Amino acid sequence: EPEVTQTPSHQVTQMGQEVILRCVPISNHLYFYWYRQILGQKVEFLVSFYNNEISEKSEIFDDQFSVERPDGSNFTLKIRSTKLEDSAMYFCASRELYEQYFGPGTRLTVT
Amino acid sequence: QKEVEQDPGPLSVPEGAIVSLNCTYSNSAFQYFMWYRQYSRKGPELLMYTYSSGNKEDGRFTAQVDKSSKYISLFIRDSQPSDSATYLCAIRGVDDKIIFGKGTRLHILP
Repeated sequence: EPEVTQTPSHQVTQMGQEVILRCVPISNHLYFYWYRQILGQKVEFLVSFYNNEISEKSEIFDDQFSVERPDGSNFTLKIRSTKLEDSAMYFCASRELYEQYFGPGTRLTVT
Repeated sequence: QKEVEQDPGPLSVPEGAIVSLNCTYSNSAFQYFMWYRQYSRKGPELLMYTYSSGNKEDGRFTAQVDKSSKYISLFIRDSQPSDSATYLCAIRGVDDKIIFGKGTRLHILP
């Protein structure tokens, strides 16, 4: 069964460094998303992406964040200058019709 | 008022029991209703998806939506220890973002 994959599973970085989180959505899906989940809190929407542009973003998704689909299979989330409060699980999701399917997540730890 | 309210639990029930999980939501514009299951340190896994009031059944799982009361439920029949997880209700309006509840931690006791 096709699934969303994410790499790395765990990323440790120092405050102020740039990180890129990578996702491979399900191959025939056209809508892509990033969510985050701070430990012990709810899953929060960050951004949605369709047709090579952002279609919706939350107030969390500020100028430090960017997304890109650099080729036909990858979808990335870049955090330019990480802060301690960026430590969280980051989930990529994709959909074809209505249902969003989530990847296993990347645990980002900012020290 | 929070957009989606969900009792975080934990909820402990004996194996074989019927489990009832519930959420309320505040905005009548929400049109799509989902239940996800999340195991510890894993991504949310879609269990049920519905967009109308009424019941939708899939195996041991039944999702129920009451739009007039803004109330959604998930029932699990013949619960198994492997059902132990956090269950997230989720809703979506005409825009493309999903709003999640905080999740209910469920423990099925063997």
